[in-house]
Order: sequence, then structure tokens, then C-alpha cells
Amino acid sequence: AIQLTQSPSSLSASVGDRVTITCRASQGISSALAWYQHKPGKPPSLLIYDASNLQSGVPSRFSGSGSGTDFTLTISSLQPEDFATYYCQQFNSYPFTFGPGTKVDIK
Amino acid sequence: QVQLVESGGDLVKPGGSLRLSCAASGFTLSKYYMSWIRQAPGKGLEYISYISSSGRTLYYADSVKGRFTISRDNAKNSLYLQMNSLRDDDTAVYYCAREYYGRFDSWGQGTLVTVSS
Repeated sequence: AIQLTQSPSSLSASVGDRVTITCRASQGISSALAWYQHKPGKPPSLLIYDASNLQSGVPSRFSGSGSGTDFTLTISSLQPEDFATYYCQQFNSYPFTFGPGTKVDIK
Repeated sequence: QVQLVESGGDLVKPGGSLRLSCAASGFTLSKYYMSWIRQAPGKGLEYISYISSSGRTLYYADSVKGRFTISRDNAKNSLYLQMNSLRDDDTAVYYCAREYYGRFDSWGQGTLVTVSS
């Protein structure tokens, strides 16, 4: 199975900060990567698919980039509602796998 | 609108069984692959099982293989997960999710399974 790593595992940031999260795949996955936001007590929510496409209804401050093995999720200006855990997920091949998550909390 | 609603979570003793259900509405279930994904307390997301749109292709993570069975009834717009020989480490929130071209674009609210004596 393809392994995903994320860095950092957690970060503290302030409202208005630019935040960047990295996801690395153990082998090339082209652009078959999605990003999710997960808040306690709620289901995960799809943010980005195909590495860089914004899911309908997701604010434009979220963006994704990368291909092959290295990917990035960027939040251009962190908002209070963005404090959550973020997961990447590869769908290049079954079994699909998730990264371990990056928790974004308030500085 | 698309909606997925899980049910069946409960407190069960080790070695026991549970059947989770996921009721789908707002879309044609038979057109989609469906999955079960879980999150144990303090842990990340674990992809544990999927079933193809026809039901002919199944996948199980090693952690549940031989103990869990995924199934679907497209006529009833429902997805199921039969869980047998439950262990303490199966304690988790279980989500059903719709797969669309590889990404999970719709999720249920989750159902809690607690395995404890």
C-alpha cells in the first residue's frame, strides 16, 4: 500500500496567518490526492481533489498543489473556523490511504 | 441533497458482534463505490473496507479482514458493515462515505462503536 506522511504533525498559528501543510507519498501518485478538513464531532469534509481542484463550496483561501510524490495544502489567511485537523488521501491505487493528519490550533 | 446516515453503533463486549447500517438518500446508490472509514479515539482516519457499485468487488484492511463483512442493498439504498469477533481496538467512530473518482465527497455523521468489557 502507498504510505503518506504529513508535516508538520501539528502547528500553532494566528488568525490571518498563511499556513502550509505538506504531504509526501511513498511512490508517485500523479495528481491522485485529496485533502480533508476534520473538526471534532463532525465528519471529514472534502476540500481539494486531484491535488489542486477546489471542491464546490470551499472558500478560495484554500489551495492545493503538487504532483508525483510531494503535495501542499495552503490556507492563505487562516480564519477562526479553520482550526481543525487536515488529512491528505491518495486514490492512485487501492487500497486508498490517508496521511496521519496535521492539527492546526490557535497560537 | 446527498445524505448518508449511519446507525447501529453501540457498546459491545469483546468477541461480540454488531451490524452497522448506512442509509443513503439524494443520489442513486447503485452508481457509486461506497466505503467504511473509522477513527479510533485520538487517532487518524483508517480506510477499512469498500464495495464496488455492483457489490462484486470488495476490499478489507488487514486489521478487519476475516472479521468484518461489507454489503449493500441498492434497492434499499443501504450499505452495511457486519462486524464479528470485535476487539478493544475496534473502538472507533465509523463513517460511511461515498467515493467519487477516488475522493470521498460525502460522509455520514458517524456512529460510535465501543468495545469494552
